[in-house]
Amino acid sequence: NAGVTQTPKFQVLKTGQSMTLQCAQDMNHNSMYWYRQDPGMGLRLIYYSASEGTTDKGEVPNGYNVSRLNKREFSLRLESAAPSQTSVYFCASSDFLDEQYFGPGTRLTVT
Amino acid sequence: GESVGLHLPTLSVQEGDNSIINCAYSNSASDYFIWYKQESGKGPQFIIDIRSNMDKRQGQRVTVLLNKTVKHLSLQIAATQPGDSAVYFCAEKENNAGNMLTFGGGTRLMVKP
Repeated sequence: NAGVTQTPKFQVLKTGQSMTLQCAQDMNHNSMYWYRQDPGMGLRLIYYSASEGTTDKGEVPNGYNVSRLNKREFSLRLESAAPSQTSVYFCASSDFLDEQYFGPGTRLTVT
Repeated sequence: GESVGLHLPTLSVQEGDNSIINCAYSNSASDYFIWYKQESGKGPQFIIDIRSNMDKRQGQRVTVLLNKTVKHLSLQIAATQPGDSAVYFCAEKENNAGNMLTFGGGTRLMVKP
């Protein structure tokens, strides 16, 4: 039981490049989330998926898109990366109304 | 590098002492609260939660207290150990907001041996 896994662990992009961050969970959770964490700050919600087939915007969705591929997988795409998107990205999953379980994070630098 | 204003508040305690980490929340409609621990380079890890119909909940070496009157949450760690050194975040969920959590800014706990 691996919990929540994220790939890649590290990524460096040039401004304007695109990439997709992958997330998978093996806990049969209905809900999945993408957060970003900037230095010395808490987590801010980018997008979430309450259940398979649905996605909704969080606090900071601009510049991102998501896909809930199936119940296990939830990807985050940056179409045209900007330096302001340099951050650590965390994926999480939960059953409805229960605590969220987090992955190890992806450290993204945009130059 | 870090920007001014983004430095975390830090609590420094001696090994073996009790630690109290505080969190103020602003949304009176929040009905569920969680404490997370984040070690360097890792994702947040669930510690303990409490619902708004309770004012105290205990786990192993940890206690969460909720004061809804002043919108204050605290995490007490008994007999603090070096392994407790981490950043601690509180998070709240608003009633009828699905499972969306709002995170606080975090407190760094440093345990001196």
